[in-house]
Amino acid sequence: QVQLVQSGAEVKKPGASVKVSCKASGYSFTSNYMHWVRQAPGQGLEWMGRINPNSGDTNYAQKFQGRVTMTRDTSISTAYMELSRLRSDDTAVYYCASGTDAFEIWGQGTKVTVSS
Amino acid sequence: DIVMTQSPLSLPVTPGEPASISCRSSQSLLDSNGFNYLDWYLQQAGQSPQLLIYLGSTRASGVPDRFSGSGSGTNFTLKISRVEAEDAGVYYCMQALQNPLTFGQGTKVEI
Repeated sequence: QVQLVQSGAEVKKPGASVKVSCKASGYSFTSNYMHWVRQAPGQGLEWMGRINPNSGDTNYAQKFQGRVTMTRDTSISTAYMELSRLRSDDTAVYYCASGTDAFEIWGQGTKVTVSS
Repeated sequence: DIVMTQSPLSLPVTPGEPASISCRSSQSLLDSNGFNYLDWYLQQAGQSPQLLIYLGSTRASGVPDRFSGSGSGTNFTLKISRVEAEDAGVYYCMQALQNPLTFGQGTKVEI
């Protein structure tokens, strides 16, 4: 079936980097943008950016410019989101999401905890 | 950036009764192609969000017809004709017209 499966929870120290993966199955990985959305504890949804899996072109929210890198490996239908120079307020659940008309498919979320 | 504002932020509802959530955008979401780039998502407790409505009024696959979306430009509404217990959660509107995509604050629907 159509699904996005993300990597497991991470605990990082401030200043470190984290790389989250998102493996697509059941549809053509290169057909739709892959977006990344995060949700801090008890907070709403925040769009971080997107990658065109076909071309590798990216668009990032200005808030994350310089700290986020989105990549993909088409051979294994997997997208990656790397966030560097982590701070405590980066503690959140990170989701990948994709779809033809909107975000029809969401990953299960990856909890990233930033703590010293 | 386009600012999305939802109201109310909390909505107690009774099963079988209707419910309505408003979403306003700081800029028109009506594209030159005639489509409004406004989506609605529901996030149930402990779950990933799920798509309910896209392009302002089109129900996503598998979404019950008690959910409907309406509006154009800067004012949009999500309506539930008869609330069921499974409809509890946080509802978000999101504009998909331009980057950065932005979400409303969320409306918590409590049954």
